[in-house]
Amino acid sequence: DTGVSQDPRHKITKRGQNVTFRCDPISEHNRLYWYRQTLGQGPEFLTYFQNEAQLEKSRLLSDRFSAERPKGSFSTLEIQRTEQGDSAMYLCASSLSTGNTEAFFGQGTRLTVV
Amino acid sequence: AQKITQTQPGMFVQEKEAVTLDCTYDTSDPSYGLFWYKQPSSGEMIFLIYQGSYDQQNATEGRYSLNFQKARKSANLVISASQLGDSAMYFCAMRETAYGNNRLAFGKGNQVVVIP
Repeated sequence: DTGVSQDPRHKITKRGQNVTFRCDPISEHNRLYWYRQTLGQGPEFLTYFQNEAQLEKSRLLSDRFSAERPKGSFSTLEIQRTEQGDSAMYLCASSLSTGNTEAFFGQGTRLTVV
Repeated sequence: AQKITQTQPGMFVQEKEAVTLDCTYDTSDPSYGLFWYKQPSSGEMIFLIYQGSYDQQNATEGRYSLNFQKARKSANLVISASQLGDSAMYFCAMRETAYGNNRLAFGKGNQVVVIP
C-alpha cells in the first residue's frame, strides 16, 4: 500500500454541475477524513468516518455536499449544483483509531468551478 | 475562535541554518495532540512530528524538533540544518480528544523558502 490515493487530481466543472471525488485510504486505517483547503488557508475539516459510519460533519458541509464510505474502505465526496465558492483543494486523510495518531493525507483533488 | 495561530510572514532561511516556526494554540481540553505538517507545492500534506499534551519531553524526529511550552500554549517547530527540499508551507494542527473529537484544526501556515 503506497498511501492515501485520491482521484481525480484535478477537476474543472461548470457551475451547476455535480462532481464526485474518490478517496482510497491506507488499507488498515479505519478512520477517514475529508478536508477542504482554499488558497492561503490551512485545511478545514468537513467530515469524518469510522469504518462505514459517518460520525462527524462540519457546518461547512452544506446540503449540497454528501460523503459516503459504504463498505468502510474507499469514500466518495459528492458536490451537487457546484458554485464558484466550491473551488478549492479537497483533501482526504486516514488514520488508525487507536491513540492520538497522525493522519496521513492524499495529494488532494483540486476543483475549479467556472 | 481561532484554535491555532501562525502569524509569521514568509521566511527565507539560508541552507544549513536552523529555522523556528511559531505556533500558539487555544484549548480548554486537558488532553490534546499537536501536529506539524509540511505541504510542498505538489499539495500533499506530509506528517512531520507529534506532541501529546501529557508528554513530558519535547518530541524530536530527525531534523525536526518541537519546542512545547504548555503554560504558554505554544508548540514551535524547529528545523535544523535546512535543506533546499524544506522549502514548503508548514502547518501546525491540534486535535482535542475530549468527547471523542477526531478533527484536526489547522493554522494558516508558515511559508519557508530555503536559499542556497
